[in-house]
Amino acid sequence: NAGVTQTPKFQVLKTGQSMTLQCAQDMNHNSMYWYRQDPGMGLRLIYYSASEGTTDKGEVPNGYNVSRLNKREFSLRLESAAPSQTSVYFCASSQQANTGELFFGEGSRLTVL
Amino acid sequence: AQSVAQPEDQVNVAEGNPLTVKCTYSVSGNPYLFWYVQYPNRGLQFLLKYITGDNLVKGSYGFEAEFNKSQTSFHLKKPSALVSDSALYFCAVRDMGTGGGNKLTFGTGTQLKVEL
Repeated sequence: NAGVTQTPKFQVLKTGQSMTLQCAQDMNHNSMYWYRQDPGMGLRLIYYSASEGTTDKGEVPNGYNVSRLNKREFSLRLESAAPSQTSVYFCASSQQANTGELFFGEGSRLTVL
Repeated sequence: AQSVAQPEDQVNVAEGNPLTVKCTYSVSGNPYLFWYVQYPNRGLQFLLKYITGDNLVKGSYGFEAEFNKSQTSFHLKKPSALVSDSALYFCAVRDMGTGGGNKLTFGTGTQLKVEL
């Protein structure tokens, strides 16, 4: 049982390049999330998908797009990377019920030069 | 908007001593509160949550947290710290807005260091 799997684990981009972070969960969870973690700022929600077929903006959505491909997969795309997007990105999933805990992936460390 | 504050960037404690990691919250209505732990180069792991009921919540690895409504606090505690407890700890509160799911707002984290 892998839980939440993110790829790639590490990526270096140049300013203006694009890339997609992939996330898949095998727990049959309805809701999925993308967070970014920056030193001294905790985790901030970028986008989330409460259920298959829906996506909504979180606290810091600018510069990102998402796709809920199916119930298992939720991808995060940077269309034109900027140095301010250098961060560690975490995907998480949960049951739709509003008290369910989040299960996190191992993280993807992105550096934009 | 809801928020949580973790006033200490770092907490140092000797192994075997009790530990407390502080968290205060600000929400409208009843809070749903969580604690997570992050080990180096790993994702966050769920420790415990308060939804309703007893103010003392027990969780994983011997941790517990005390919900105090009058002080709007949800401090994480453990009676006897272990070196292996050294990690980054996050307090979080559920976003009570619309949109479904279980969106959490996280604090800035507290680094716990347990020394021999």
